[in-house]
Amino acid sequence: GQNIDQPTEMTATEGAIVQINCTYQTSGFNGLFWYQQHAGEAPTFLSYNVLDGLEEKGRFSSFLSRSKGYSYLLLKELQMKDSASYLCAAMMNTGFQKLVFGTGTRLLVSP
Amino acid sequence: GAVVSQHPSWVICKSGTSVKIECRSLDFQATTMFWYRQFPKQSLMLMATSNEGSKATYEQGVEKDKFLINHASLTLSTLTVTSAHPEDSSFYICSARAEGHDTDTQYFGPGTRLTVL
Repeated sequence: GQNIDQPTEMTATEGAIVQINCTYQTSGFNGLFWYQQHAGEAPTFLSYNVLDGLEEKGRFSSFLSRSKGYSYLLLKELQMKDSASYLCAAMMNTGFQKLVFGTGTRLLVSP
Repeated sequence: GAVVSQHPSWVICKSGTSVKIECRSLDFQATTMFWYRQFPKQSLMLMATSNEGSKATYEQGVEKDKFLINHASLTLSTLTVTSAHPEDSSFYICSARAEGHDTDTQYFGPGTRLTVL
């Protein structure tokens, strides 16, 4: 089976740093994606990790530990526009590749 | 690059009618497209994987006769919700995998909001 867990909701203040955790248990794991989704819109790609370690991309960084089934998305210098849902998704390869999404974390950034 | 479009962006229909949603990759070819459904305040649930020139692969619990998928070309996949009912009201999102681009990243369309009266 597959199981991808994230906190349901988080709050933070403008300018702060927030870390959104994701734990997963999937078969045929082939990488971990993070997407941002604003209400009523489609997800937009943020990052992809396939090897252990940290990937940095501007204010956003993503970390993966395959042995622990764990990833996090780190958002620095938070801005009001970062208020959105953040979706963790595991790429599974069970004959063909598909993305399985976690429950999503709703982040609210306050002034 | 890597733009995916969907049409229509929203649709309201009567119960019992069928609705077709189109998903197009505008500037790349996609041998594989995916269809997701998202209910309010929930995450995306994969419905099916659409492969160009072959039958779609449906996830467990998704009725293939109700959600017809056709992937006629490398840039177009369609999802037809047949005999729609109010419980089918949802946000339907497609994605296309740009193979060879950015480590097989999936790019999402803007979504189609379906409301069945």
